[in-house]
Amino acid sequence: GENVEQHPSTLSVQEGDSAVIKCTYSDSASNYFPWYKQELGKRPQLIIDIRSNVGEKKDQRIAVTLNKTAKHFSLHITETQPEDSAVYFCAADNTGGFKTIFGAGTRLFVKA
Amino acid sequence: DAMVIQNPRYQVTQFGKPVTLSCSQTLNHNVMYWYQQKSSQAPKLLFHYYDKDFNNEADTPDNFQSRRPNTSFCFLDIRSPGLGDAAMYLCATSRGGGTSGETQYFGPGTRLLVL
Repeated sequence: GENVEQHPSTLSVQEGDSAVIKCTYSDSASNYFPWYKQELGKRPQLIIDIRSNVGEKKDQRIAVTLNKTAKHFSLHITETQPEDSAVYFCAADNTGGFKTIFGAGTRLFVKA
Repeated sequence: DAMVIQNPRYQVTQFGKPVTLSCSQTLNHNVMYWYQQKSSQAPKLLFHYYDKDFNNEADTPDNFQSRRPNTSFCFLDIRSPGLGDAAMYLCATSRGGGTSGETQYFGPGTRLLVL
């Protein structure tokens, strides 16, 4: 089955710096890669997603890149702010069904 | 505006006492999911419904059951809660338009405490 690995598990950056979180997946047939942000005690919320027919997608300070050959994708947050502090989960769809396979999560701390 | 609603938000039960968590959605989505999440770990899928078709994960204990009486509602029944079942339980939905790779919309979760 699909496996998604996520690194780092914890990331601490200074306000204004960039943050990068990397994920790899195992199923070459996966074609949908969402990123969820989860603040403490709250629900996971989709912040950006990418499909396999594009290599990069950007939404204001957030961007995601996808390398299908290498089977890895990354989240880039520029000009980080304290409110970006949260746990971020990458995920990949499990082909043949409606399941989403989550990475283990990255706890991001943005220091003011 | 709430799209995926979970009740209650907090549930306290006793060891071994059955408990039911509920989820409802206003999105008219075909797929509904139940996840268990412990202390900032990734959500762990317990099962999902595509319409009335139930799909159990291989490692979901028999202690966990689910019902989906109609499109809008889905229930998680824990028949004999143990201390290890204390967690956040998240309900999610997706459109289920016939292809894989869809955004899931999560409810706020129910935090279960087992005494």
